[in-house]
Amino acid sequence: GAGVSQSPSNKVTEKGKDVELRCDPISGHTALYWYRQSLGQGLEFLIYFQGNSAPDKSGLPSDRFSAERTGGSVSTLTIQRTQQEDSAVYLCASSFPSGATYEQYFGPGTRLTVT
Amino acid sequence: AQTVTQSQPEMSVQEAETVTLSCTYDTSESNYYLFWYKQPPSRQMILVIRQEAYKQQNATENRFSVNFQKAAKSFSLKISDSQLGDTAMYFCAFMKQHRGSTLGRLYFGRGTQLTVWP
Repeated sequence: GAGVSQSPSNKVTEKGKDVELRCDPISGHTALYWYRQSLGQGLEFLIYFQGNSAPDKSGLPSDRFSAERTGGSVSTLTIQRTQQEDSAVYLCASSFPSGATYEQYFGPGTRLTVT
Repeated sequence: AQTVTQSQPEMSVQEAETVTLSCTYDTSESNYYLFWYKQPPSRQMILVIRQEAYKQQNATENRFSVNFQKAAKSFSLKISDSQLGDTAMYFCAFMKQHRGSTLGRLYFGRGTQLTVWP
């Protein structure tokens, strides 16, 4: 089947505007992760959803960041009042809760540029 | 807290040669998993190889193998018969075993840029 997809591929926004980034996980994968990749900070964990459990939001850098996952499938990462330091590649990954196949499958990412 | 360290920001190797990428990690966990991911310029992260900490045998996937030293908390990646398509950023990653399951966030190193030249 199809892999993890993310949209848009690239997003340029002005400082202070809100943005929404979308992730479509692999069908049947109950776990979904958001990571941020930037030159200064490397790869950082943001948030993790698993089924109907409360998400692990411990990696969100500020209250301007939020994410939701509707119907246990598609996820949206929202950044409010964007700042230049939010410029990064945002990666989404999904995985299936099996003891044999715990690999996280990554999407191609969304490159966010805040001007 | 878990930390992953890759001490080689860049490496280069000639085609058909062998190269080893280093990774060390720090954790107090006894059950965990280790991974090497590859990220070519396309940005797509691809799993190269994985190792369960409870397994003593080193994982092997075709030209890729690891040297897992649990006591030393070391997890190096050896690429044999390097190919031009191996050129990419390589990330070492750690995952805790979460409440007996195999789900959990990844902790990444800063990456090693590998260039394979003809």
